[in-house]
Formats: sequence, structure tokens, C-alpha cells
Amino acid sequence: GAVVSQHPSWVICKSGTSVKIECRSLDFQATTMFWYRQFPKQSLMLMATSNEGSKATYEQGVEKDKFLINHASLTLSTLTVTSAHPEDSSFYICSAGEQGPKTKAFFGQGTRLTVV
Amino acid sequence: GQNIDQPTEMTATEGAIVQINCTYQTSGFNGLFWYQQHAGEAPTFLSYNVLDGLEEKGRFSSFLSRSKGYSYLLLKELQMKDSASYLCAPRGEGGGNKLTFGTGTQLKVEL
Repeated sequence: GAVVSQHPSWVICKSGTSVKIECRSLDFQATTMFWYRQFPKQSLMLMATSNEGSKATYEQGVEKDKFLINHASLTLSTLTVTSAHPEDSSFYICSAGEQGPKTKAFFGQGTRLTVV
Repeated sequence: GQNIDQPTEMTATEGAIVQINCTYQTSGFNGLFWYQQHAGEAPTFLSYNVLDGLEEKGRFSSFLSRSKGYSYLLLKELQMKDSASYLCAPRGEGGGNKLTFGTGTQLKVEL
């Protein structure tokens, strides 16, 4: 089945620095990928849709200048958390699936971000 | 938009059967997914229903009624490792892989 790989699995960074998270589709091409954030004991909240070759589409309330998304190829999307603050500490998960209206989404392993 | 309603928590006994219900409202409908998520891990795919009826896959079955906006996940012969959060995710119009999740149901399996 389709495999989505996310890296790194966990990262600790200092407040004010930026962190880049990668999401790769390993055996299929994905024109769209999705970024979610999950706080402890809460559900996955969709942050944005990453579109290959064009700008990402952000959900309401998500700061596009803080969460930079780049989808430069059909197998790679990156999420950069800029000027991270402790409140950005969360579990970030990407998903992707093969093209078509009836495909299913597969998730990367997730990235645990801790900002100190 | 989407409205998804699931019980927040459930407790069941090892070896028993448990049914996790999900009601939803979506703009259009293109199938419903169930995912399992263990604490600290990403969700894993369990089942997908697009037509009314029951889909069985080993110990897990999922049911869908589109007219009622209702689905359930049935877990049989419960094992301790089934303790996890179960997420119901209906897919709205447009299809694709953009999913919206409810709060999920935290299932605890006890001896």
C-alpha cells in the first residue's frame, strides 16, 4: 500500500528558531498533501493543504507566514515552523494519498515538536 | 462544513465486542473512514465505507447508513492492544484525501 514518510520524528528547538518538517510519498505521486496539528488529548486539526507547484491553502485561523509550506515536487512537501514559540509545541502529522476521488489518505509517522 | 459526533470515551472488557458510533453531517458525501490512533503515534487506516451496509475485515467491521448520516465501528474479540483512539472521518464533496476529524473515541480495554 501507499507509504508516507515524515521526518524528523521528534525535534527540540529553542524559542525563536525555525524548524523544517518533511513529508514524502514513497511509492506514489501526490499533487496534494495535508498538514495536521494535534495537541494532547485533542483531535487532529487540519492546518493546510499543500499543493504541488502552487501556494498552499490554509485553514481559517492558521497563520500562513508562520507555517510555511512548500510542495516543490510530487513526492515532497515541507512545513517550516518559523520563529517557534513554546505554544507551537505539538504533534504535527502529514497525510497524502494517490490521486482520484475515492482514494484513502495515509499518514506519516508524525513529528513531535517541543519548543523550549 | 462538517459536523462529526462520537462518544468521547468507552471502556470494554478483553474478549468482548464493542461498537463505536459516529454521526455526521457533511456538504456532499464521498465515503467515510475509520482510523485507529495510539497515543503519540499517527493514525492508521482501519476501514472505508462508501455504500450502505457492513464491511467486514477480520476483527473489525464498519457499517454505514448514508441516509441517516450514521456509521459504526465494531470491534470483536477485544485485545488489550485495541486500547486507542478511534477516529471517524467522513469525506465531503470533492473527494480527494482532505479529511476532517472529530474528537475521536478513546477506547480502554480492561482485563
